[in-house]
Amino acid sequence: LLLDSGGALVQPGGSLRLSCAASGFTFPVHAMIWVRQAPGKGLEWVSSISGSGGATSYADSVKGRFTISRDNSNNAVYLQMNSLKVDDTAVYYCARLSEPRYQLLYPFDFWSQGSLVSVSS
Amino acid sequence: IQLTQSPSSLSASVGDRVSITCRASQDIGSFLAWYQQKPGKAPNLLMSSPSTLHTGVPSRFSGSGSGTDFTLTISSLQAEDFATYYCQQLNGYPLTFGGGTTVEI
Repeated sequence: LLLDSGGALVQPGGSLRLSCAASGFTFPVHAMIWVRQAPGKGLEWVSSISGSGGATSYADSVKGRFTISRDNSNNAVYLQMNSLKVDDTAVYYCARLSEPRYQLLYPFDFWSQGSLVSVSS
Repeated sequence: IQLTQSPSSLSASVGDRVSITCRASQDIGSFLAWYQQKPGKAPNLLMSSPSTLHTGVPSRFSGSGSGTDFTLTISSLQAEDFATYYCQQLNGYPLTFGGGTTVEI
């Protein structure tokens, strides 16, 4: 089970941190991702983090502004979002890579319910 | 790697056979998955590889393809299948999704 939180209305240039709490599986061995969906649009991968937290990747659209991290002792993954833009408005989902100890090549089998981030003045 | 889905939408009836295609801009081998998303809900994994059904997915769903061309087929559309379907390449960063195909009544 993945339960995300932290979505809110924020002004352009502001910051927000999303959290995703995991339960029911061995969290530290699974890579995690954040995916977003702008209103009425398709899915966009945002960022990935390995099980250990030692490897991260970002979409070009958020590189340098967003930071993914995880706390394996608390079974949680985070997305720190800085310098937010209107175009960052979306529902943000966290998801689990299905195969332990991989970062790629396998799909995402559990998804959170989604948190709405609205960036507007 | 860009993924192009077609059609972007289609209208069908219960019982129809429906096929959706996904074309990759370069060879991704068999590293492609399919998801189903209903309005206001998170995506659900349908196919964990081009031809492998995820656990619990009905057998009316099937898939095929490798390299650059992939197909998702629903053999007999049911009411609960009206949704948007996305392909996703798993081969490398940035991970990318197709634009989606909405299956409407």
